[in-house]
Amino acid sequence: EAQVTQNPRYLITVTGKKLTVTCSQNMNHEYMSWYRQDPGLGLRQIYYSMNVEVTDKGDVPEGYKVSRKEKRNFPLILESPSPNQTSLYFCASSAHLRWDEQFFGPGTRLTVL
Amino acid sequence: AQSVTQLGSHVSVSEGALVLLRCNYSSSVPPYLFWYVQYPNQGLQLLLKYTTGATLVKGINGFEAEFKKSETSFHLTKPSAHMSDAAEYFCAVSDRDSSASKIIFGSGTRLSIRP
Repeated sequence: EAQVTQNPRYLITVTGKKLTVTCSQNMNHEYMSWYRQDPGLGLRQIYYSMNVEVTDKGDVPEGYKVSRKEKRNFPLILESPSPNQTSLYFCASSAHLRWDEQFFGPGTRLTVL
Repeated sequence: AQSVTQLGSHVSVSEGALVLLRCNYSSSVPPYLFWYVQYPNQGLQLLLKYTTGATLVKGINGFEAEFKKSETSFHLTKPSAHMSDAAEYFCAVSDRDSSASKIIFGSGTRLSIRP
């Protein structure tokens, strides 16, 4: 089954404690992206990757890092989480970045205390 | 810069009634256009998309959308609402410009269905 998986689904942490949210896709897609979803703001892109070792900033990259060492994986790293990073996070992948369907993971709900 | 506007953060209709969710984009060059649906506690999934060709696009679950260049709109409709249509709907756009690197999402419209 074609899918995007994310882990963990729920995470409660404290300010400053480094965390990683994993994302993996099994569709051999080149394009992957991270979004955060906040009420009334829709989805905002954090980072995206067009291929292995190629990443770039989206609209709201501050406080986040990513890496793309393998085509299937695209982890999101919060080196020092802060309460304003409390949000719902989605990973997505697609064959092409502009006109193809994006396949979304189930989401990770993060709370930073 | 490209932007997308969804009018109405919450729309409520009766079961069996027409569903109309509005979406307008800002660019002078028509972008690629998408509608996604998000059911509770799930990720987004594609309902339909417009890239080229026929301006009336049919999607899954009986939804359709019409691209109107003169109105810079891509409104989503369904003739008869079902209880299972209750969800949040997002309009999204992507520039045709080759340097574009992202899809921009609207703020979403929550659809409620009254029995």
